[in-house]
Amino acid sequence: QVQLQQWGAGLLKPSETLSLTCTVYGGSFSGYYWSWIRQPPGKGLEWIGEINHGGSTDYNPSLKSRVTMSVDTSKNQFSLRLSSVTAADTAVYFCARGDIVLVSPAPLRFGMDVWGQGTTVTVSS
Amino acid sequence: EIVLTQSPGTLSLSPGERATLSCRASQSVSSSYLAWYQQTPGQAPRLLVSGASTRATGIPDRFSGSGSGTDFTLTISRLEPEDFAVYCCQQYGSSPFTFGPGTRVDLK
Repeated sequence: QVQLQQWGAGLLKPSETLSLTCTVYGGSFSGYYWSWIRQPPGKGLEWIGEINHGGSTDYNPSLKSRVTMSVDTSKNQFSLRLSSVTAADTAVYFCARGDIVLVSPAPLRFGMDVWGQGTTVTVSS
Repeated sequence: EIVLTQSPGTLSLSPGERATLSCRASQSVSSSYLAWYQQTPGQAPRLLVSGASTRATGIPDRFSGSGSGTDFTLTISRLEPEDFAVYCCQQYGSSPFTFGPGTRVDLK
């Protein structure tokens, strides 16, 4: 059974860089899209962006200037860095797997079917 | 950016009743790439439906999704005690992928 285990610093000061990593256990790393999503306290979900095993990325324009995602296929890991954080970045951050099936003429995508446990990140001076 | 609106905000029902949740998009969702998730407090979301109507693996058949274009519906045919939760929709057809604000289904 595929599991995502995520970790990273939970308390940051304004202007610091958030750094989170998610490891994929029990399943293939290739052939999927790997996403980061966040949820501010008491609010809805926000898609931060995604990356595939080849390193191709797609970021939410609202965060694009501050976001970097990367993969380490040798460790079945993908990572998120968000620079210059402020209190508005306080949220629970989730990693998740997005399924995709390569068919002709275009890939068929599915929703995010496996999620990490979430990491609470608080930005406070 | 596609904005998703969900209604109602809260649905108060009893076990055994039918729940009908609506998700409306500000523009047509490409390829009906619309997903529904269930979330309980302190937990990660759980995928229920992809592609507007395809149940995810292991999801009971009391959950069904329908719709296309800009109007989508999640129906829970008979509520079980574990179904009282928040449900949100997500479109993943156009970047940036966006989520609706959620519908809370609570115990009447």
